[in-house]
Amino acid sequence: AQKITQTQPGMFVQEKEAVTLDCTYDTSDPSYGLFWYKQPSSGEMIFLIYQGSYDQQNATEGRYSLNFQKARKSANLVISASQLGDSAMYFCAMTKEGGGNKLTFGTGTQLKVEL
Amino acid sequence: GAVVSQHPSRVICKSGTSVKIECRSLDFQATTMFWYRQFPKQSLMLMATSNEGSKATYEQGVEKDKFLINHASLTLSTLTVTSAHPEDSSFYICSARGAGAISEAFFGQGTRLTVV
Repeated sequence: AQKITQTQPGMFVQEKEAVTLDCTYDTSDPSYGLFWYKQPSSGEMIFLIYQGSYDQQNATEGRYSLNFQKARKSANLVISASQLGDSAMYFCAMTKEGGGNKLTFGTGTQLKVEL
Repeated sequence: GAVVSQHPSRVICKSGTSVKIECRSLDFQATTMFWYRQFPKQSLMLMATSNEGSKATYEQGVEKDKFLINHASLTLSTLTVTSAHPEDSSFYICSARGAGAISEAFFGQGTRLTVV
């Protein structure tokens, strides 16, 4: 069975600094996808970034990048130049490759950006 | 990106009544929709997977008679919480994907259900 682990229940970062949110996973599937979502206090789930297990390059989307280390089964999210609006809950998730199947979520990391 | 609309965003109902939550894909055909439940400060837990025109597949421990899911069209899935009780109070959120190989699941805005 797939499992996602986020070991940081809460993180603080100063505005304009970079922050790394940890995510490790466990799966026996040879092909899978890794996702990061942001959930502000309003509740909606905002897609941030996707990494396929066979992608050679680390995914990047604007200020978000995914540090994918397949051998270590880690998929850490790096947010550069943090902004106050980045304060939210962040979830790492995974599914089988192609994004078609159900998502397994980690327990989340609450990020607070401070002045 | 694709838009998934979920209604209502908040609902308060009396114990014993039923509540229907709608999840619509606005600009794509959703062959598969997923329903999740989230307790305060916890992660999302998948309740069921619904495919258009067929019965939903429920996760272990989810009562299919209590959480009725209908996916009658390619743009609409509904979750009905029947005979709601206070312990059903939670945040329910749907996600949807189309038939193509898109690499993300689009989420609705979520519904906060309070049963009093």
